[in-house]
Amino acid sequence: GENVEQHPSTLSVQEGDSAVIKCTYSDSASNYFPWYKQELGKRPQLIIDIRSNVGEKKDQRIAVTLNKTAKHFSLHITETQPEDSAVYFCAARLMDSSYKLIFGSGTRLLVRP
Amino acid sequence: EAGVAQSPRYKIIEKRQSVAFWCNPISGHATLYWYQQILGQGPKLLIQFQNNGVVDDSQLPKDRFSAERLKGVDSTLKIQPAKLEDSAVYLCASSLDPGVLNEQFFGPGTRLTVL
Repeated sequence: GENVEQHPSTLSVQEGDSAVIKCTYSDSASNYFPWYKQELGKRPQLIIDIRSNVGEKKDQRIAVTLNKTAKHFSLHITETQPEDSAVYFCAARLMDSSYKLIFGSGTRLLVRP
Repeated sequence: EAGVAQSPRYKIIEKRQSVAFWCNPISGHATLYWYQQILGQGPKLLIQFQNNGVVDDSQLPKDRFSAERLKGVDSTLKIQPAKLEDSAVYLCASSLDPGVLNEQFFGPGTRLTVL
C-alpha cells in the first residue's frame, strides 16, 4: 500500500542551529503535504503545508520544500528554540476517493539550550 | 471556535473487555476521522466518515472494532473484545472537506491501556 517514510527518527540540535526533517512518499499523484507538530501529551497541530504546484513555502522560521520528481519533501526549522522540541509528523494526501492522509512515523526533535 | 472534543481522556481495561470512545467534531465539519497512534509511530487512519457515511475503513480491524456516526455529527468508536496490542492513543479529527485540501483538526485523544 501507499506509505510515507520519514527520517531521522530522532534529532538533537543546539539552540540556534537549523533542523531538517525529510520525507519520501510513494503515491506519485499526491498533491498535498502537511506537517504536524505534536508536543508531549498533546494533540497534533498543523504548522505548515505545501501543495504540489509550488516548490517551497516559508512561514517565519519554518519552511517546507517539495521535489515532486523525486517524491520527497522536507521541513526546515531555522534558529531553533527550546519550544521547538516536539515530535514532527509529515503526511501525504492520497488521491483516491477518500483523500486520506498517510503519516510518516515521526521525528523527535530535541533543542538543547 | 471550539475544537474537537473527545472523551474519556484515559481508559484502562483488561484484555477481552470492551471500551467505547466518543468524539464531537468542530461544528460544520462534514468529515470525521478516527486514528490509532501507537507509541513512537505516526497516526494510522482507522475509519473516515463523510457526514454519516463511511468513506474509508480499510484499516479498521472489523472483527473487533466498530464505529458509527449516526446523525452526521458525533461519533463513537468501540473495541470488543480488546487485545493487548490495542494499547494506543485514539485520535479523532475533523475537516470541512478533504477534497479541497482543508486542514484536519485533531482532538486531544484517548489514551487506552489494555492490561
